[in-house]
Amino acid sequence: DTGVSQNPRHKITKRGQNVTFRCDPISEHNRLYWYRQTLGQGPEFLTYFQNEAQLEKSRLLSDRFSAERPKGSFSTLEIQRTEQGDSAMYLCALATSEAFFGQGTRLTVV
Amino acid sequence: QKEVEQNSGPLSVPEGAIASLNCTYSDRGSQSFFWYRQYSGKSPELIMFIYSNGDKEDGRFTAQLNKASQYVSLLIRDSQPSDSATYLCAVFQASTLGRLYFGRGTQLTVWP
Repeated sequence: DTGVSQNPRHKITKRGQNVTFRCDPISEHNRLYWYRQTLGQGPEFLTYFQNEAQLEKSRLLSDRFSAERPKGSFSTLEIQRTEQGDSAMYLCALATSEAFFGQGTRLTVV
Repeated sequence: QKEVEQNSGPLSVPEGAIASLNCTYSDRGSQSFFWYRQYSGKSPELIMFIYSNGDKEDGRFTAQLNKASQYVSLLIRDSQPSDSATYLCAVFQASTLGRLYFGRGTQLTVWP
C-alpha cells in the first residue's frame, strides 16, 4: 500500500471519447504528480500540483488534457477526444522524500 | 538529449548470481537517485534511493553512486526468479519542482 488509490484500474474507450481518471491520496500530501508511461518507456512527467495549485505542465500535456486538484486532496485527469496515441498507463505519485506511485490506470483507446 | 540512460538489456542471470544494473545521467545538478522495480502491467515500486557518493545496502540490494562520473548502479545479490522485472532508474532535481526523470528501464530475467 503506497497510500495512493487510482481509479479506474483499466479503461477501454473508443477514439474520440472523453475519459477521466481519479487519484486519491489516503492521507494529506502537498505535492501530487501525474506521469504517463507508454510501453517500453519509463514514466514521463505530465503535471504537478502543490496543494490545489497546478504549478507545472509538461509539453506532453496537450490542450486535450486537463487536470484538477480541488481542495488539494484528490486529483482528476481528463482527456478529451481521445486518440490511439493516448493509450498508456497513467500514474499518480505523491512526493515525500521519495515518490510513491499509485496502481495506475491503464488506458486503451480503440 | 535524454536525461537518464540505462543499459537497454535485456539482462539474464541464473538464480543465485549477482545482477548489475547501470544508469548514467546528464545533469550534474541531480541530487537524489532512485531505483524502482516494475512487474509487467503493474506500477513502479520503490526499491531504494541514494543521494551520497558511495554504497547503500538494503538486504540483497546495493545502490552505488558516483557523482563525478554521473553514474548510479544497482546490484542484486543472490538473484531470485521473483526479481525478474523491469528496473527503472530515476533522478530527482529540486530545481524542477521535485519531478523525477526516468530512464527507459532494464528488463531483468533470473532463470532457475
